Amino acid sequence: QKEVEQNSGPLSVPEGAIASLNCTYSDRGSQSFFWYRQYSGKSPELIMFIYSNGDKEDGRFTAQLNKASQYVSLLIRDSQPSDSATYLCAVTGTGFQKLVFGTGTRLLVSP
Amino acid sequence: EAGVAQSPRYKIIEKRQSVAFWCNPISGHATLYWYQQILGQGPKLLIQFQNNGVVDDSQLPKDRFSAERLKGVDSTLKIQPAKLEDSAVYLCASSLGREGEKLFFGSGTQLSVL
Repeated sequence: QKEVEQNSGPLSVPEGAIASLNCTYSDRGSQSFFWYRQYSGKSPELIMFIYSNGDKEDGRFTAQLNKASQYVSLLIRDSQPSDSATYLCAVTGTGFQKLVFGTGTRLLVSP
Repeated sequence: EAGVAQSPRYKIIEKRQSVAFWCNPISGHATLYWYQQILGQGPKLLIQFQNNGVVDDSQLPKDRFSAERLKGVDSTLKIQPAKLEDSAVYLCASSLGREGEKLFFGSGTQLSVL
């Protein structure tokens, strides 16, 4: 079983819609959860982080965490073509701050 | 604030040659990471330094890869000899080093092994 799993996509949504990106993780001891955005040919850029169960909102982005289900998601409201990128879920595993990435979900927002 | 600096940006070598990558983290960041990202995959941690000590190198192919962090600041990652499957982007990242701290990535080095 992979430590962090994501659907590779692509996830296609029309402009203005809500994009929902999902991630599951295997280590129940995980404490910190991150969403990175990676444009083609660029390096990952942090867009959201969440440490506690529930929702965390930042602008058009909402991160949701359910530790009991070992599930974390990212919602993007009012999706824009500029949101088209690969979204990487990352989770701290056991040990000193080891950050494990999923394979990423490619999001395509069509005008 | 200056970001994480990496060089070179691109490198093309033949198999069995050696190559080295350089990284300068954000000033004051205690933790430095080297990740390998193969096309279509997520970044995979190769080695993690806390100041100038190694805290995780469990996925570093030690028969061919080596890394050091000089005086707890700059770092170099070396591959000798390179194999075709080493073709990837090598990302350096740094963080302040507190638990759950956010990582900041450099622009990466794209390595092609022919």
